[in-house]
Amino acid sequence: NAGVTQTPKFQVLKTGQSMTLQCAQDMNHEYMSWYRQDPGMGLRLIHYSVGAGITDQGEVPNGYNVSRSTTEDFPLRLLSAAPSQTSVYFCASSMGLVNEQYFGPGTRLTVT
Amino acid sequence: AQSVTQPDIHITVSEGASLELRCNYSYGATPYLFWYVQSPGQGLQLLLKYFSGDTLVQGIKGFEAEFKRSQSSFNLRKPSVHWSDAAEYFCAVGQETSGSRLTFGEGTQLTVNP
Repeated sequence: NAGVTQTPKFQVLKTGQSMTLQCAQDMNHEYMSWYRQDPGMGLRLIHYSVGAGITDQGEVPNGYNVSRSTTEDFPLRLLSAAPSQTSVYFCASSMGLVNEQYFGPGTRLTVT
Repeated sequence: AQSVTQPDIHITVSEGASLELRCNYSYGATPYLFWYVQSPGQGLQLLLKYFSGDTLVQGIKGFEAEFKRSQSSFNLRKPSVHWSDAAEYFCAVGQETSGSRLTFGEGTQLTVNP
């Protein structure tokens, strides 16, 4: 099993550009989440999904879109990148809240 | 709303010394509590979790944590720290009704001196 994979590992964008961060898991997990990590702020939930076709907003959803067309994939789209979105982004999956969340290696995004 | 506080931003200990990292939570019902560790440039790895039952839980790498309802705390401990334990540690709290929503603390950076 590859676990949770994220691409790309690093990305630099100019303000106003759009892009999609990819996340895939091969563990048949129903739950998937996107977090951003900023110094001194821990991890903050952006969006999450409890199954294919079902998504919901987390703590900091503005400027991001998600969709969940398959169990395996949960892409995060930045619509119009802003410097405030410079961060490290983590995708995670789990069978449910009562189970361990498995994290991907992260994507480091810089918006100039 | 649930919240988590890790009062110590940075802790330094000597190798072989004991360690305690503090975590306080705010939540009305019995929470689901987790400790994760993050090595530099890596994702997060689960150390241990508490859902119910015995309030002292054992985790990987020799870590343990104790749930104290009266103090709203879930402190992480290790009797003897190794240099490889240097990392950032995150406490998290979850609620069953919100699916996979976890709230993370700000993190505690652990430095281990030789």
